Amino acid sequence: EAGVTQFPSHSVIEKGQTVTLRCDPISGHDNLYWYRRVMGKEIKFLLHFVKESKQDESGMPNNRFLAERTGGTYSTLKVQPAELEDSGVYFCASSQQMVENEQFFGPGTRLTVL
Amino acid sequence: RKEVEQDPGPFNVPEGATVAFNCTYSNSASQSFFWYRQDCRKEPKLLMSVYSSGNEDGRFTAQLNRASQYISLLIRDSKLSDSATYLCVVNQRGSQGNLIFGKGTKLSVKP
Repeated sequence: EAGVTQFPSHSVIEKGQTVTLRCDPISGHDNLYWYRRVMGKEIKFLLHFVKESKQDESGMPNNRFLAERTGGTYSTLKVQPAELEDSGVYFCASSQQMVENEQFFGPGTRLTVL
Repeated sequence: RKEVEQDPGPFNVPEGATVAFNCTYSNSASQSFFWYRQDCRKEPKLLMSVYSSGNEDGRFTAQLNRASQYISLLIRDSKLSDSATYLCVVNQRGSQGNLIFGKGTKLSVKP
């Protein structure tokens, strides 16, 4: 069974540009989470989808970040315009129906904003 | 005060050694507790959940002390392949599964 996949694996952009990250969860997983690790800091929660609905977006840093989950399948996270402090590794995770189930993480997207 | 605190290490131990990691959490509403393992430039992977009664999985033993808000992980007979960063993770009651991570403790097992 395929795990969580993320695209791209790396992205290098200039400040002010737009970047869109994609996450494909494990098939059948209703819960989809985005997390971020900024250099030197711990991994932090960004937001949580249940199917296509945003369940909790309390971790989103500001309105430059927009997440969507079309049809409850894959999810995108767009950063527009990107700032230097947005650099980090963005992880996506998915889990089965119950929120206490194990979360399976994707390999992450390493974003560098110059 | 950070929500989940860990000693960052590194812990450098010889093969076969026993090593223990500790973690404290600040929110008494924390409900679920986990140890994740993260290899360099890889994603976190669940190592084991931590239960109030303590639990063991092979060479790994996890303990939880709710009164002290303290979690531990013991690794016996360390292997070279145990070298990684170990993340202490909690999930608060009613948080809908949003995980709160510590910064991790780095372990390096030497031959």
